[in-house]
Amino acid sequence: AQKITQTQPGMFVQEKEAVTLDCTYDTSDQSYGLFWYKQPSSGEMIFLIYQGSYDEQNATEGRYSLNFQKARKSANLVISASQLGDSAMYFCAMRGPAGGGADGLTFGKGTHLIIQP
Amino acid sequence: DTGVSQDPRHKITKRGQNVTFRCDPISEHNRLYWYRQTLGQGPEFLTYFQNEAQLEKSRLLSDRFSAERPKGSFSTLEIQRTEQGDSAMYLCASSDLVGDVEQYFGPGTRLTVT
Repeated sequence: AQKITQTQPGMFVQEKEAVTLDCTYDTSDQSYGLFWYKQPSSGEMIFLIYQGSYDEQNATEGRYSLNFQKARKSANLVISASQLGDSAMYFCAMRGPAGGGADGLTFGKGTHLIIQP
Repeated sequence: DTGVSQDPRHKITKRGQNVTFRCDPISEHNRLYWYRQTLGQGPEFLTYFQNEAQLEKSRLLSDRFSAERPKGSFSTLEIQRTEQGDSAMYLCASSDLVGDVEQYFGPGTRLTVT
């Protein structure tokens, strides 16, 4: 079974600072995908970044980067130069091997990030 | 390209009633997923379709829950004999079979069972 652990229920960060959101995962699959989603107070889940288990390079998307450490089973999200609009819930998620019937995402409990001016 | 839409956005029902939610995926997306999100938790995967075939339904929470995607386009999620514990946000997502890895989520349907 897959499991995602996010150990930071909430974080306060000053605007323009970088922030790291922690995520560790557990799986017995060799092939898997890791995702980060943002959920503002409006409720919609917004995709941020994806990392495949065989990708050698850490994924980057604009101000978002994923610090993937496979041996430690961690997939931390780094947001550079945080903005007030980054205040939201952030979820780490995992998907198993494609076509294996495990195509649904397994989510962690989330981290509530608040950016302070 | 319009996003995933869900209807209704809010539903209040009395315990014991049946409810049905609709999800319209991004056009031509082959895969459609249903999730449930309770307060303070991440979404929990329920079921998914590839075209009209329901490929995974063991995660549906009980036999009171069922989902259909009859023509491989929109999908419905039905909860029969609702209980107060069914109160949650029900999220739908879709993805392309080839290319996209991400799932695009809709705004959700918030169910309140009184």
